[in-house]
Amino acid sequence: DAGVIQSPRHEVTEMGQEVTLRCKPISGHDYLFWYRQTMMRGLELLIYFNNNVPIDDSGMPEDRFSAKMPNASFSTLKIQPSEPRDSAVYFCASSGITEAFFGQGTRLTVV
Amino acid sequence: GIQVEQSPPDLILQEGANSTLRCNFSDSVNNLQWFHQNPWGQLINLFYIPSGTKQNGRLSATTVATERYSLLYISSSQTTDSGVYFCAVEQGAGNKLTFGGGTRVLVKP
Repeated sequence: DAGVIQSPRHEVTEMGQEVTLRCKPISGHDYLFWYRQTMMRGLELLIYFNNNVPIDDSGMPEDRFSAKMPNASFSTLKIQPSEPRDSAVYFCASSGITEAFFGQGTRLTVV
Repeated sequence: GIQVEQSPPDLILQEGANSTLRCNFSDSVNNLQWFHQNPWGQLINLFYIPSGTKQNGRLSATTVATERYSLLYISSSQTTDSGVYFCAVEQGAGNKLTFGGGTRVLVKP
């Protein structure tokens, strides 16, 4: 397996624009997670899915953030409208019953 | 929620030196993982170690779940060991991880 695949790797956008981050989990993994990494807050969980169903979205900072998992091989994290404070590295991870594996992340810069 | 504390926050090593990184957690956990974030930002799995001891080359890890801590040992450090080491724990159902603040390691040649 190629591991968890995220796209794009880098995204620069203007404040107010919509941003969509994409993730393909490892085949066969039942869990999918979205994390955000910032200098101030470290690595924090935003939302996670089990068998394509959102289980816990308590980490989603605001209503501007939304995530979907339409099937077992694809998930999106959308920010609309984006703000400069959303600038961070966003990681997608997937797991089965044991360890989680992370994608390479998307570095988002909102100017 | 659970608190995960890592120490030391920063570590500077001379190439060839050994070191120990510590992870303390405030409540019982189901699982624990160690990651290395390399200078390019990639999170690399090192160990999945809810209890006991594991070794992988120059790295080894020990988790004493009853005492709520885990240790990561780096022996004969190399410059490629530089980066940030994270401990992450999982409680309850769901496999979701809570991360510590990391230990930033710099290995000098």
